[in-house]
Amino acid sequence: SYVLTQPPSVSVAPRQTARITCGGNNIGSKSVHWYQQKPGQAPVLVVYDDSDRPSGIPERFSGSNSGNTATLTISRVEAGDEADYYCQVWDSSYDHWVFGGGTKLTVL
Amino acid sequence: EVQLVESGGGLVQPGGSLRLSCAASGFTFSSYWMSWVRQAPGKGLEWVANIKEDGSEKYYVDSVKGRFIISRDNAKNSMYLQMISLRAEDTAVYYCARVGDTESNFDYWGQGTLVTVSS
Repeated sequence: SYVLTQPPSVSVAPRQTARITCGGNNIGSKSVHWYQQKPGQAPVLVVYDDSDRPSGIPERFSGSNSGNTATLTISRVEAGDEADYYCQVWDSSYDHWVFGGGTKLTVL
Repeated sequence: EVQLVESGGGLVQPGGSLRLSCAASGFTFSSYWMSWVRQAPGKGLEWVANIKEDGSEKYYVDSVKGRFIISRDNAKNSMYLQMISLRAEDTAVYYCARVGDTESNFDYWGQGTLVTVSS
């Protein structure tokens, strides 16, 4: 089945830009979705279909997807952005929905 | 406002059974695919099962096939997960999630219900 690979952790200083990658075989041909999960809370969809934002999600969150890597970019990082972030795709070959292993974003 | 509320979690012995429920409100339940996603303690998210709007199609992660059954009752705006032959590795918070319009993501989530499989 399809495998998504994320770095376990990313650290960034406040007001800087954080980039979280999600690797997969020809992932650029799939729609990638990103979720934010804070401790003790349910996940929240922050980017869908590679680069669209649900209503209520700040413009600081953006996404891109090409080749074998998708990227979630968080601009002007705030302390409140500290969370786990997961990428996700639908694997049409098996009708399975797949998550990456997650990346813990630490704001220094 | 979309709301998803899970119930039915608890402590069960290995080999036991449990039925989870998800009560939905704030949207036309019968128009959306629905899903169960779980998260083992300290681990990442794992998709478990999906069910089509009318219940005619169901999909499962390989590790639960033959043991878990997803179902729904559109008249009651509810979804269920019947779990049998439970194993320690099924211990997790189980989230109910609505599948988004493109049928490839999860746009709303419940707060989850904890299932603990232990003797």
